[in-house]
Amino acid sequence: DIQMTQSPSSMSASLGDRVTITCQASQDIGNNLIWFQQKPGKSPRPMIYYATNLANGVPSRFSGSRSGSDYSLTISSLESEDMADYHCLQYKQYPYTFGAGTKLELK
Amino acid sequence: QVQLKESGPGLVQPSETLSLTCTVSGFSLGSNSVHWVRQPPGKGLEWMGIIRSGGSTDYNSALKSRLSITRDTSKSQLFLKMNSLQTEDTAIYYCLFLFTTDSYYVDFWGQGVMVTVSS
Repeated sequence: DIQMTQSPSSMSASLGDRVTITCQASQDIGNNLIWFQQKPGKSPRPMIYYATNLANGVPSRFSGSRSGSDYSLTISSLESEDMADYHCLQYKQYPYTFGAGTKLELK
Repeated sequence: QVQLKESGPGLVQPSETLSLTCTVSGFSLGSNSVHWVRQPPGKGLEWMGIIRSGGSTDYNSALKSRLSITRDTSKSQLFLKMNSLQTEDTAIYYCLFLFTTDSYYVDFWGQGVMVTVSS
């Protein structure tokens, strides 16, 4: 199975900060990675698909990138509504696997 | 429009079997795949398995010995059964329709159903 190592597990940042969350894949997954945002009591919302594509309705301050087996979600200028949990999911092969998640809090 | 709705018991005894139903509308199970995902309280998401349009399945390696996903396309329902439940199986269980290519993405999540494993 492909392991997705997500870091950090939690972080605090200030409004306007640039924030980066990373997932490292244990095997080649190409660009087959989704980033989800999840707020308390809600279902996950897709933010980035195919590693770098912005999902519908997602603000342009969000971006996804890939460097080898490392995948990053970056928020260029943090806003209060971005406080949430973030999860990566690889869909290159079955079984699909999620990262452990990152809790993003306001400093 | 596309909708998915999970249903099932809120409380299950340890060692017993969990049975959940996902009722879908707005699309055909005979032409689309549906996933099950779960989330223990305060923890991350866990992919559980998929049933494809042709009826084949794939499962999470850690769960496959006790997990079964089936469907009734005529009723637009899919079913999750998992046996030998333990307290660690306490979670919100979601069914998920997801379709993506390199340039297109759509997903629809059910509202989720909370399942507590406790005596």
